[in-house]
Amino acid sequence: DVKVTQSSRYLVKRTGEKVFLECVQDMDHENMFWYRQDPGLGLRLIYFSYDVKMKEKGDIPEGYSVSREKKERFSLILESASTNQTSMYLCASSLGARDGGWPQHFGDGTRLSIL
Amino acid sequence: AQSVTQLGSHVSVSEGALVLLRCNYSSSVPPYLFWYVQYPNQGLQLLLKYTTGATLVKGINGFEAEFKKSETSFHLTKPSAHMSDAAEYFCAVSSTYNTDKLIFGTGTRLQVFP
Repeated sequence: DVKVTQSSRYLVKRTGEKVFLECVQDMDHENMFWYRQDPGLGLRLIYFSYDVKMKEKGDIPEGYSVSREKKERFSLILESASTNQTSMYLCASSLGARDGGWPQHFGDGTRLSIL
Repeated sequence: AQSVTQLGSHVSVSEGALVLLRCNYSSSVPPYLFWYVQYPNQGLQLLLKYTTGATLVKGINGFEAEFKKSETSFHLTKPSAHMSDAAEYFCAVSSTYNTDKLIFGTGTRLQVFP
């Protein structure tokens, strides 16, 4: 089974701090994703990476950056945390293939609170 | 823009009753379609997917969904609800421009009463 591991389940940070959320997958997947989940809004894509050092902005990239130095690890960075970034953050990975359609596998999420 | 609409943010059923969760999507090309389930304080778990072939797709935990192209729908059903089915369910469709990316609906919370 695919395992996607997020480094923290719960995290509390202060406004203005630089915050790092880490995600590791063990199935050699090409694609990795960061979403935030808010009540009534579903999942919104922040950033997507389709290969090492390759990234693409999602729907809500403002205030975030990402890093993918190794295939198995995808980090989300909040450059200067703000209270409106309090949310559940979900990492996912999927196999990259020409014909697409591969399901995404999710970690258990990091519930981040910015005070 | 592509979208996924899940009708009903909350659905309540009695244990043993039929579960029907509705999903409609917009896509200009044949899509890949997914249903995910999320239990409290967990990530999303794949229930089932439609890529090609048979339009009635069976998934885990007794769930199934039918792809109806003419109705642009992919409703999720289960003949008999169980208390353990209480969770949030998300429908997703592959992006037209990049099939590795998914567009999610806003979710339906299923409550099951004894």
